[in-house]
Amino acid sequence: GAGVSQSPSNKVTEKGKDVELRCDPISGHTALYWYRQRLGQGLEFLIYFQGNSAPDKSGLPSDRFSAERTGESVSTLTIQRTQQEDSAVYLCASSFSGEQYFGPGTRLTVT
Amino acid sequence: GQQLNQSPQSMFIQEGEDVSMNCTSSSIFNTWLWYKQDPGEGPVLLIALYKAGELTSNGRLTAQFGITRKDSFLNISASIPSDVGIYFCAGQLPGTYKYIFGTGTRLKVLA
Repeated sequence: GAGVSQSPSNKVTEKGKDVELRCDPISGHTALYWYRQRLGQGLEFLIYFQGNSAPDKSGLPSDRFSAERTGESVSTLTIQRTQQEDSAVYLCASSFSGEQYFGPGTRLTVT
Repeated sequence: GQQLNQSPQSMFIQEGEDVSMNCTSSSIFNTWLWYKQDPGEGPVLLIALYKAGELTSNGRLTAQFGITRKDSFLNISASIPSDVGIYFCAGQLPGTYKYIFGTGTRLKVLA
């Protein structure tokens, strides 16, 4: 069956611009997570959705970061006024029973 | 905040050798997940552990959930070149859906 998909796979943007990253979870997965992975580093938790509510936003680095989810479907992570330190791979994972399945990630480069 | 110490950070081994890596923490976790990540891709789930003391195998991989619930190890037997990659552990915080990821073990297999 289809896995988690993310788009775009790569995004290059100028400092100060807004970007929107998309995640399509596995059908039927109620939980959805966003992580950030800087080069050579581990995964940094950003936000978790259960259905379309976000009970844990504790990992969002600043108010420039926001995310929303439509029902138990697509989620978008928005970064406003991007900064160079936002450059990273943004990974999405979906889960039904505790096991998280990851998408391929979006590589964001802020120039 | 909670941290997961993963070791070793990297290792070079000869093809055919067994490999062992572990994650430790001062915090208790409910679930342990082990992932492998290849360059440019999202992490792929290898093994999930749900109970203290649980020992689970997946082919040449064996993982255990530590009895104290604060650690886990992953063993790879008879390594092959395609085992190359970065291995991550992740622990689920009790009472939450949040996972903390280790910093990764970079494995290189010499043919």
